[in-house]
Amino acid sequence: GAVVSQHPSWVICKSGTSVKIECRSLDFQATTMFWYRQFPKQSLMLMATSNEGSKATYEQGVEKDKFLINHASLTLSTLTVTSAHPEDSSFYICSATPGTSGRSEQFFGPGTRLTVL
Amino acid sequence: AQTVTQSQPEMSVQEAETVTLSCTYDTSESDYYLFWYKQPPSRQMILVIRQEAYKQQNATENRFSVNFQKAAKSFSLKISDSQLGDAAMYFCAYRTWTGTASKLTFGTGTRLQVTL
Repeated sequence: GAVVSQHPSWVICKSGTSVKIECRSLDFQATTMFWYRQFPKQSLMLMATSNEGSKATYEQGVEKDKFLINHASLTLSTLTVTSAHPEDSSFYICSATPGTSGRSEQFFGPGTRLTVL
Repeated sequence: AQTVTQSQPEMSVQEAETVTLSCTYDTSESDYYLFWYKQPPSRQMILVIRQEAYKQQNATENRFSVNFQKAAKSFSLKISDSQLGDAAMYFCAYRTWTGTASKLTFGTGTRLQVTL
């Protein structure tokens, strides 16, 4: 199946700093990428949907100035957590889909664990 | 809005036995997709099985099968001949059938333990 990578796999940062997480589709072009957040022992909550070359669509309650998403190419989307605080500590997962059709499967990255001290 | 409900936070099954995980959903749409994903301790999401709502036949993938009851909006997962490697979180998910790629809505998950 298609492979999606995330970098870094884990990151620790100080409160007030910004952190960038990369999501790459390695063997396909991803027209759409999704960013999820998962708290311990909880489900995945969609944060935003990003389409290559256009602005991301954020879910209700997600601060777009806090979580900056850039989908600059068909193989790369980035999530930047700005001015991170301890409550932003979580597991962040991206997924990518190779087509624009509703039948296109989503392929998930391995996730990034963010710890804000 | 679509919602997905998994009423079993935890389940346990003995190795080689069969277990069924429950999922119900709510939607006003007639065409959609349903999925079961597995999340092992590595946290990597793995697609287990997928069902298109317009198909009456239940999907199967080796030891995994579903019981899709469209009228009841129920989508349960049956794991036969359970193996130690099946231990994981299992998430039921819903996705609309649209002309463009659309988001997944996940249930709260069921943690499956497999015992010897």
